[in-house]
Amino acid sequence: EVQLVESGGGLVKPGGSLRLSCAISGFSFSRYNMNWVRQVPGKGLEWVSFISTFSSYIYYADSVKGRVTISRDNAQNTLYLQMNSLRVDDTAVYYCVRGGATSAAGLDFWGQGTLVTVSS
Amino acid sequence: SYVLTQPPSLAVAPGKTAIIPCGGNDIGSESVHWYQQKSGQAPVLVIYNDSDRPSGIPERFAGSNSGNTATLTISRVEPGDEADYFCQLWDRSTNQGVFGGGTKVTVL
Repeated sequence: EVQLVESGGGLVKPGGSLRLSCAISGFSFSRYNMNWVRQVPGKGLEWVSFISTFSSYIYYADSVKGRVTISRDNAQNTLYLQMNSLRVDDTAVYYCVRGGATSAAGLDFWGQGTLVTVSS
Repeated sequence: SYVLTQPPSLAVAPGKTAIIPCGGNDIGSESVHWYQQKSGQAPVLVIYNDSDRPSGIPERFAGSNSGNTATLTISRVEPGDEADYFCQLWDRSTNQGVFGGGTKVTVL
């Protein structure tokens, strides 16, 4: 069974940092591109970042570029999102999402999400 | 950046057909994916590459894409189809993912 389990969310002050993790099981992690997608509660989905299988290609949304770093550890089956200089408008549920063979592929498995709240 | 436009809401009676548009400039040239998100749950992929259905998704869900509009069609709507639906594609010019604003489908 495919499982993606996010952790690391919580309450942080503006300007602070958080590191999100996503533990993967049930499939061969190193064969899949991965993404982070976020959602402000009650609002729509926003794509955040993409990382290819061996980290050769990494892309970010303009809203987080320069403040966020995506990474992966294929040996540990874990995806990460390092978030710095957090702002109030970064408050959202962050989903770890499996991609396909290319960056344009559909996002076929989603974790349950971890809530990040940025507030003073 | 690429913009995908969806109507905010749609109401449909049980047994009828729901047609959810997703507008974008020459979207017919792109691969479009659709996600269903029920209240309190993570999104689920229901259509990929314009018209393909993942395993386990009922045949009542169908997708098409041409010109400036991609469409998700839900036939014989059931109460369990009540959810938010999002279209999505990859913007090759910016190498970024793009989601539509979402359409809330209410089953009357």
